[in-house]
Amino acid sequence: GAVVSQHPSRVICKSGTSVKIECRSLDFQATTMFWYRQFPKQSLMLMATSNEGSKATYEQGVEKDKFLINHASLTLSTLTVTSAHPEDSSFYICSARDPRGRGETQYFGPGTRLLVL
Amino acid sequence: GENVEQHPSTLSVQEGDSAVIKCTYSDSASNYFPWYKQELGKRPQLIIDIRSNVGEKKDQRIAVTLNKTAKHFSLHITETQPEDSAVYFCAASISLTGGGNKLTFGTGTQLKVEL
Repeated sequence: GAVVSQHPSRVICKSGTSVKIECRSLDFQATTMFWYRQFPKQSLMLMATSNEGSKATYEQGVEKDKFLINHASLTLSTLTVTSAHPEDSSFYICSARDPRGRGETQYFGPGTRLLVL
Repeated sequence: GENVEQHPSTLSVQEGDSAVIKCTYSDSASNYFPWYKQELGKRPQLIIDIRSNVGEKKDQRIAVTLNKTAKHFSLHITETQPEDSAVYFCAASISLTGGGNKLTFGTGTQLKVEL
């Protein structure tokens, strides 16, 4: 399958600071990437769909001014958690849609565990 | 929007037995159904998928069946091994306007294969 990387794998920050997470597709060009959040022992909840060269589409209830998404190239999308608070602590996972073949398959990055103190 | 329900939430089987996980979806427009395996602290890994024009697909010990009329699909793992222990997520996909698709995930099944 396709390879998606994510950086950093783990981050601890103070309340009120901002954290940037990078998601890269390594062996294919991804016009669409997705950002998910996963709380312990829960499912993956889609936060937003990131489209290269255009604004991200946010799911209902996700604050676009708090979770800034930038998809500036076909291999890189970034998620910035602004003014992070302890309730933002979670496992953030990106995925990239592989356009080859039928273009439906999503491959996931390894995730970023965010802890806000 | 799409709603995906998954059962059971936990499943414990003896090594060598079969395991079955079932999912239902609500939107008849969903047309792609992947299954992911996630080990603790790791990324979800695609293990098998099925499209709406197919009723069954098999890959070695893993098979998926789809009943479009009833809007449910199932994952079957035969001859389970300890390394099959993980959380399994089903998902249903709807095509997006302009191309691409969006996944809605089930709530997950914690599978434990006991020796």
